[in-house]
Amino acid sequence: GENVEQHPSTLSVQEGDSAVIKCTYSDSASNYFPWYKQELGKRPQLIIDIRSNVGEKKDQRIAVTLNKTAKHFSLHITETQPEDSAVYFCAEPSGGTYKYIFGTGTRLKVLA
Amino acid sequence: DAGVTQSPTHLIKTRGQQVTLRCSPKSGHDTVSWYQQALGQGPQFIFQYYEEEERQRGNFPDRFSGHQFPNYSSELNVNALLLGDSALYLCASSLGYRTYNEQFFGPGTRLTVL
Repeated sequence: GENVEQHPSTLSVQEGDSAVIKCTYSDSASNYFPWYKQELGKRPQLIIDIRSNVGEKKDQRIAVTLNKTAKHFSLHITETQPEDSAVYFCAEPSGGTYKYIFGTGTRLKVLA
Repeated sequence: DAGVTQSPTHLIKTRGQQVTLRCSPKSGHDTVSWYQQALGQGPQFIFQYYEEEERQRGNFPDRFSGHQFPNYSSELNVNALLLGDSALYLCASSLGYRTYNEQFFGPGTRLTVL
């Protein structure tokens, strides 16, 4: 099925705190999980991705974890900064195809 | 090296009209995907082109059609426009078909249907 649930829809954190966004997918055939950041009025940009043969991937303050058994993957941002404020989308290729299904987005606000 | 470009930036049409949106992929990319992003929503996959053929299609009616040219650029055509077609239309390019390579998005075309 083509379904990606993303939570929370909005998230406010104090600068320096951590933020976690979670997505749940339905098709066990999915094997690639990218995360995109979209600033207001701008295009989505890939910030990190993970493939199903690994459980965690980290890039400086950003990490993604994957739990294939539970069918969910999460974005972790540590030491948040005001410039992290944006809408974040998870995505997955539906049913192992190459049609990307996006989550509904999480609006992250980092309060200075 | 230019990234993904799209034209026009904004477009206003009336119901029933037809529209054509254009996309030039990032240099070296051969695959183009189109997405519709309604306000406050995530992008919705419309279709993907590779080697001038539609390879994947999302849940969009056949009023939505496309084309890819030999230079890999692409067009999205929407016929018989409805109010609900108002959205940001994003094009994304990537390298290769049936691979999970990074997609690079264009700035989008904002379509308003009155």
